[in-house]
Formats: sequence, structure tokens, C-alpha cells
Amino acid sequence: DTEVTQTPKHLVMGMTNKKSLKCEQHMGHRAMYWYKQKAKKPPELMFVYSYEKLSINESVPSRFSPECPNSSLLNLHLHALQPEDSALYLCASSQDKEKGSGANVLTFGAGSRLTVL
Amino acid sequence: AQSVTQLDSQVPVFEEAPVELRCNYSSSVSVYLFWYVQYPNQGLQLLLKYLSGSTLVKGINGFEAEFNKSQTSFHLRKPSVHISDTAEYFCAVSPRHSGNTPLVFGKGTRLSVIA
Repeated sequence: DTEVTQTPKHLVMGMTNKKSLKCEQHMGHRAMYWYKQKAKKPPELMFVYSYEKLSINESVPSRFSPECPNSSLLNLHLHALQPEDSALYLCASSQDKEKGSGANVLTFGAGSRLTVL
Repeated sequence: AQSVTQLDSQVPVFEEAPVELRCNYSSSVSVYLFWYVQYPNQGLQLLLKYLSGSTLVKGINGFEAEFNKSQTSFHLRKPSVHISDTAEYFCAVSPRHSGNTPLVFGKGTRLSVIA
């Protein structure tokens, strides 16, 4: 069983809808990530949170809005999406290593498959 | 900056045959190396990782990989595959001593095991 839980597993939404994807981990990890994965492609990084603060935003459009309410939870708020945003959205977490102290090993959730009509 | 090349986009192999999935990387600094597997309609699962020490790394499900620094490679091997090994395999790198610098993924290799 994965230790990173994502809900919902599937989501269908219209272009005018507002919805959210949720991610939860209880491993004590302090870094959390959102990735987007299109079919037959590798995951693409969207956002990184470190100690509940946004540390990396890979120039993601503002119709995607991340939120990290606490160290265990990560949300991705969706508004006014386009059909090309349809993809598998993966959440991951890792121990946040300070420079020089070790590797950054990511644990992924099972993903939320989003379809935008 | 780092980059990862997975030389084969698809690898078909018969059940119980050996398999090697190739991965080469480029980096100006030392790196950590990873292989992840993604089964259909699932997330990514860590197969194995090279952080330091022995260059031969054993992972889950009978997979192993060997780090070759001179050839900048980290090829994945399994001596005898099963139907259940059919999946997408991603090689990834991250620079050492980099905090939470994100992984750089290769484009993936689709392993298809034929009965």
C-alpha cells in the first residue's frame, strides 16, 4: 500500500468548474510535490513545498493553485482548466534534506486522473 | 544541470527471459540515481536507488542495477521476467548535496513481457 494517499482517484470537470485534488502523508516528510503526467510521458514537476512553504513553482499557470495547510496535507485547487490540462496528477513527499546531509528520495501516491471537458 | 537518457522507449521480452533497461546520465556534479516503476493506471514506485557504497544495487521484485561512473550509466537488469513486470520504467537522477532539488526523469522505457 502506498503511504501517500491521493483523492479523488478520478475527477471529471468542466472548464468553468472549481475543484480540488488532495494529498496526505503521515511519514513525517517535510517536502511535498505536485507532478503532472501526460500519457506515455515522464512526470513533470509543478510545485514543491518545503516545510509548508512554496519553494518551487515551475511556471505553472495560475489556474492551478497549490496549498499546504500543514505538514501532512497538500492540495491542488483547480479553476477554469482547459482540456489540455487532462492528465494524471501525482503527489509525492520526501524528507527535506539540508544541503550535504543526504539524498532526496520521493514516495509517490497513486495519482488523481483528471479529465477536463 | 542534469539529464537522463533512456535509450529504449520500448522493450519486448519473452517471459522468463533476462532483460536490461538502459539508462545514461549527464551531470557536472555527483548524483544519486533511481529507478521507478509505474504499473498501468498507478503512481510511481521506487524499485531501487544508488546513494553510495557498492555499485551493484539490489531492489524489489528481483531487479538490480549497476552504477558505472566512467560510463555514466545505471542500467537495470532482471535475470528472469514475469508477466507482472509489464510496466513503464523511469530512470531518474538528483544532484548530491542539493536539499530538495527535484528529480530529473528520463523519458521512460515500456517493458512488455510476452507469454
